[in-house]
Amino acid sequence: QITLKESGPTLVKPTQTLTLTCTFSGFSLTTSGVGVGWIRQPPGKALEWLALTYGNDDKRYSPSLKTRLTITKDTSKNQVVLTMTNMDPVDTATYYCAHKRFEGSSWYYFDYWGQGTLVTVSS
Amino acid sequence: DVVMTQSPLSLPVTLGQPASISCRSSQGLVHSDGNTYLNWFQQRPGRSPRRLIYNVSNRDSGVPDRFSGSGSGTDFTLKISRVEAEDVGVYYCMQGTHWPLTFGGGTKVEIK
Repeated sequence: QITLKESGPTLVKPTQTLTLTCTFSGFSLTTSGVGVGWIRQPPGKALEWLALTYGNDDKRYSPSLKTRLTITKDTSKNQVVLTMTNMDPVDTATYYCAHKRFEGSSWYYFDYWGQGTLVTVSS
Repeated sequence: DVVMTQSPLSLPVTLGQPASISCRSSQGLVHSDGNTYLNWFQQRPGRSPRRLIYNVSNRDSGVPDRFSGSGSGTDFTLKISRVEAEDVGVYYCMQGTHWPLTFGGGTKVEIK
């Protein structure tokens, strides 16, 4: 059974760096055919994809946020960490991590999601 | 970036009646591997998104068969054959063919 859970601060100040951790179980992030992504959702707004990392350490970032994002993985802890620098009030959102996999001849996007963690950016 | 445009923004539906949500992409979504990575997600109030449909028309395990996906090229549709109370929420399409991954703006389904 695949599960993911996000953790991190609920409140950060403007200009600070946000560090979020996704702790997962039920799969191993050690092959190119498995990935974990981060998606955020400002209150009352749509979903926005941020970043994704694969078991072979390939990484993808949203171009609009690329300069502020870093995604890393710790396979020994079954964790994926997202850091976002220079936080601003517009970054207030619920942040989700989600699972991606390759099977057969197809990718399967975001079939499992964490519960999300609300991050508020305010002084 | 591929822009995903959903319509309508809001969809009031009578219980037991059908509902249809459109999703149009600014570019074709056929990947070089031959797959079309168009997904539909349901987000009930206060809950995480849940995938309903993957690769245009494949229903996820546990998803009621009243949900169906169709389309090709740049034009895709999610249909609910008979809306039930538990279907209330926001529905999002998402393309996974081109980087960056992009979501539609969402369609809110509510009961009339």
